[in-house]
Amino acid sequence: AQSVTQLDSHVSVSEGTPVLLRCNYSSSYSPSLFWYVQHPNKGLQLLLKYTSAATLVKGINGFEAEFKKSETSFHLTKPSAHMSDAAEYFCVVSSFNQGGKLIFGQGTELSVKP
Amino acid sequence: NAGVTQTPKFRILKIGQSMTLQCTQDMNHNYMYWYRQDPGMGLKLIYYSVGAGITDKGEVPNGYNVSRSTTEDFPLRLELAAPSQTSVYFCASSYSNPVTVFDENIQYFGAGTRLSVL
Repeated sequence: AQSVTQLDSHVSVSEGTPVLLRCNYSSSYSPSLFWYVQHPNKGLQLLLKYTSAATLVKGINGFEAEFKKSETSFHLTKPSAHMSDAAEYFCVVSSFNQGGKLIFGQGTELSVKP
Repeated sequence: NAGVTQTPKFRILKIGQSMTLQCTQDMNHNYMYWYRQDPGMGLKLIYYSVGAGITDKGEVPNGYNVSRSTTEDFPLRLELAAPSQTSVYFCASSYSNPVTVFDENIQYFGAGTRLSVL
């Protein structure tokens, strides 16, 4: 069985400071891991994905995530937050062995203060 | 560049009414999905389809029906609306190739349908 736990339901940072959104996963198979972002009243947009090619994955808008198998983690980071980064972020796990179905975490709401 | 299009964007239903949420994609994706998102929660899979004529249940299928007669369209039907079905519904599509496992199954989402059942 697969599952995803996002360790913080809400994170607040000041503009220009680093962002860290934490995600732990559980998977019986070699997982694919994703981060999606959802801006208010919008659909979900893919930020980045990990599919075992490289443990450090770079995404759009300056975000990156590092896959750490020993810690079963896939934390999302950004060196410097921008006001436009304020949104809901979802960590997602998938496995081809499971028909590619996505399992979503509960989401982390990121607030960015001026 | 339409991608995944959902209609309507908003709808209010009375208990017991029925409706169909429409979803169409123009990317020739074989996989399509319906999710619901409740406040403060992640998305939960209602139904999915791996190709025209093939559908299967997800985590929360009760109270819903789907069909997939074409590659492009994947409508979601609510037969007897209940307050518990008040939610935001997202349709998504992806291309999955059993041969090339990697770099597949990126799901592209529609903008959502906000449904209230009163």
